[in-house]
Amino acid sequence: SSELTQDPAVSVALGQTVTITCQGDSLRGYYASWYQQQPGQAPTLLIYGNHNRPSEIPDRFSGSSSRNTASLTITGTQAEDEADYYCSSRDSTGDHVVFGGGTKLTVL
Amino acid sequence: QVQLRQWGAGLLRPSETLSLTCAVYGGSLSDYRWSWIRQPPGTGLEWLGEIKDNGSTNYNPSLKSRVTISVDTSKTQISLRLNSVTAADTAVYYCARAMLVAKHNWFDPWGQGTQVTVSS
Repeated sequence: SSELTQDPAVSVALGQTVTITCQGDSLRGYYASWYQQQPGQAPTLLIYGNHNRPSEIPDRFSGSSSRNTASLTITGTQAEDEADYYCSSRDSTGDHVVFGGGTKLTVL
Repeated sequence: QVQLRQWGAGLLRPSETLSLTCAVYGGSLSDYRWSWIRQPPGTGLEWLGEIKDNGSTNYNPSLKSRVTISVDTSKTQISLRLNSVTAADTAVYYCARAMLVAKHNWFDPWGQGTQVTVSS
């Protein structure tokens, strides 16, 4: 399969922990990356290689993976974390790239 | 720090050809793949294709017959052409640098995005 599945919407209380998941067969063979998109802006890289974080990304963002599911966890969620989140990986052939449908995170 | 700046026509008629250019500042094209990604209004991201620094390409199978990605190494620019556009091609188009190492693939940085609207 070349699809990645995400929950369309997730909510979290300010300061709490939330996990956003991404499922797909390609994740059994390829690592996931995660992107944050604020309204009207281009996406920005949050996590690559399932769990690696660029130096400029706050450490409250973390990634993990198990079998066909990749997860993005935000610990101590801030108001500015309200955004859309997308996962991505190569597809099962390795020749193409797929994105999840995106998860809209609401911070209550 | 590498930056991507993109430009191109923002309003097209149906059947016309979409043409966008992405310039790379502060880095070279070598050792990376360069992708185009689009986002229709209110929806998610769709990968269109990629080009390696040697000029070889991979395209989204759903668009393969209409899309062409090319590179001008002398100008450190990447271009996108999408033929025979329809209203369904209305989207914000992004260029992005892709890193593919073993089974790791990620996009960073991204261009600022170009809104393309197809309307008669």
